[in-house]
Amino acid sequence: EAGVTQFPSHSVIEKGQTVTLRCDPISGHDNLYWYRRVMGKEIKFLLHFVKESKQDESGMPNNRFLAERTGGTYSTLKVQPAELEDSGVYFCASSQAFEQYFGPGTRLTVT
Amino acid sequence: SQELEQSPQSLIVQEGKNLTINCTSSKTLYGLYWYKQKYGEGLIFLMMLQKGGEEKSHEKITAKLDEKKQQSSLHITASQPSHAGIYLCGAGRGSTLGRLYFGRGTQLTVWP
Repeated sequence: EAGVTQFPSHSVIEKGQTVTLRCDPISGHDNLYWYRRVMGKEIKFLLHFVKESKQDESGMPNNRFLAERTGGTYSTLKVQPAELEDSGVYFCASSQAFEQYFGPGTRLTVT
Repeated sequence: SQELEQSPQSLIVQEGKNLTINCTSSKTLYGLYWYKQKYGEGLIFLMMLQKGGEEKSHEKITAKLDEKKQQSSLHITASQPSHAGIYLCGAGRGSTLGRLYFGRGTQLTVWP
């Protein structure tokens, strides 16, 4: 069975540009999470989808971040416009019950 | 302030030695997860503990959650180079397990 996949693996963009990250959860998992790790700090929660609905988006840093999960399958996280402090590794996780399975992450560098 | 404190931050051990990593919270933990990460890879799920006093083992790795559910330890017996990586503890809050809070991780190096 395929695990959680994320695309792209790396992205380097300039400040002010837009970037869209994609996450494909494990098939059949209703819960999808986005997390972010900024260099030197712990992994922090961004938001949680249950199917296509946002269950908890309290971790989203500001309105430059937009997450969607149309149809309750894959999810996208758009950052527009990107700022330097958005650099980090963005992880996606999915679960059907309590165990959250993580993808390899997307390393975002904003220059 | 950090939700979860992990110690030590880094650990270098010789192959064959035993080691312990700790994860501590000032609040009650609802579900304590241990993950392992290798550079450039995602987090690999190791174990999850829910009940106070619970202990689980997988191969040479044992995780325990204390009775008060505020501290967990991960113990590796007879370490091998394949155990090297970053170990992360994560925990839920409240009665539902949704978002996880993470410690900063413990970097483990095992030299032959």
